[in-house]
Amino acid sequence: DAGVIQSPRHEVTEMGQEVTLRCKPISGHDYLFWYRQTMMRGLELLIYFNNNVPIDDSGMPEDRFSAKMPNASFSTLKIQPSEPRDSAVYFCASSPGLEGDTQYFGPGTRLTVL
Amino acid sequence: DQQVKQNSPSLSVQEGRISILNCDYTNSMFDYFLWYKKYPAEGPTFLISISSIKDKNEDGRFTVFLNKSAKHLSLHIVPSQPGDSAVYFCAAQSGGADGLTFGKGTHLIIQP
Repeated sequence: DAGVIQSPRHEVTEMGQEVTLRCKPISGHDYLFWYRQTMMRGLELLIYFNNNVPIDDSGMPEDRFSAKMPNASFSTLKIQPSEPRDSAVYFCASSPGLEGDTQYFGPGTRLTVL
Repeated sequence: DQQVKQNSPSLSVQEGRISILNCDYTNSMFDYFLWYKKYPAEGPTFLISISSIKDKNEDGRFTVFLNKSAKHLSLHIVPSQPGDSAVYFCAAQSGGADGLTFGKGTHLIIQP
């Protein structure tokens, strides 16, 4: 299995531009998570899906952030418009279940907003 | 307010010695705890976990201890090896209803 796949690995954009991050979870995993890592706040959960349905988006910082999961093998995290404070590493993770199941992380997307 | 705290941003240990990484939590609803290891430019990878019904779980060189009354857990690595140099994240989950809550991580450096 290729594991969780994220693209792009690096993204540099200018303030105000739209940014779309992509994730392909491990096949057969019912749960997909988006996390953000910053120096100040560490790793924080943004949103997670169960069977393509968003379950908890309380970690999404603002309306500028949106996430979708149109099918079991693809999810996007979109920031529009982007701001410099959105600069971070964004991780996608998937797991077979929720309680007690290991989450498998992708390599992350390093986003820099100038 | 941080619900999972790793108060040591970094830790340096000599190769062959024991590494002890600490983690404190404030949410008494947490009932499952995990440790993840992260190398630069990679995503975190699962290392070891423990349920709140246990106080110890061991896997090879890695042992996690849980003290529920103190809301404290620790990861012991013995003996420490150069490949153990990484950032270690403590994470917690409550009742299967949420994603993981992570600490800010501890950078472990194993010195030869």
